[in-house]
Amino acid sequence: KNQVEQSPQSLIILEGKNCTLQCNYTVSPFSNLRWYKQDTGRGPVSLTIMTFSENTKSNGRYTATLDADTKQSSLHITASQLSDSASYICVVTGGSQGNLIFGKGTKLSVKP
Amino acid sequence: DTGVSQDPRHKITKRGQNVTFRCDPISEHNRLYWYRQTLGQGPEFLTYFQNEAQLEKSRLLSDRFSAERPKGSFSTLEIQRTEQGDSAMYLCASSSGRWETQYFGPGTRLLVL
Repeated sequence: KNQVEQSPQSLIILEGKNCTLQCNYTVSPFSNLRWYKQDTGRGPVSLTIMTFSENTKSNGRYTATLDADTKQSSLHITASQLSDSASYICVVTGGSQGNLIFGKGTKLSVKP
Repeated sequence: DTGVSQDPRHKITKRGQNVTFRCDPISEHNRLYWYRQTLGQGPEFLTYFQNEAQLEKSRLLSDRFSAERPKGSFSTLEIQRTEQGDSAMYLCASSSGRWETQYFGPGTRLLVL
């Protein structure tokens, strides 16, 4: 079964600290993996996209990694800001129909 | 603003009533998707269109749900005889191709009393 699992479910950190969110997937065939940021009450916004051959992709303070062998990805946030408080959703495109398979997200709270 | 827009942003209705939501995708995008998201969960796929053709429907889309995209531009999602279990955020997304990034609208939050 095609699944995307994220951990932790929620995370609280202090402003200025770094954090890393994890994503494990069992999707075959695999096309690409995206990380989305979703603010409360808003639609998701794409942060990064990685294909099979890419190991890392950065977008400002966000750095995503992908290990296609172990089917794991991480999203590292550097020097967190209050505005980073949101849910971060890992999304894998794949399967026989090329559908998007969403994780449940990690809810990040950045405290002053 | 040239992003995906949705209307209304919020809808409160009584059980048994019909509701209709609208989505306006990014103008050059030929693919349009509808998702449902409940609290603490990731979005769940409902259906998608390529131009005006509805190409796939999830098993989540019961007979009470219908979606249209008559001219290949905006789309509507109608829920008939709403139930309390329909309460959720309904998200619309559009993309320029099958493997391209989906851009999401702000969503319509539905509350069925």
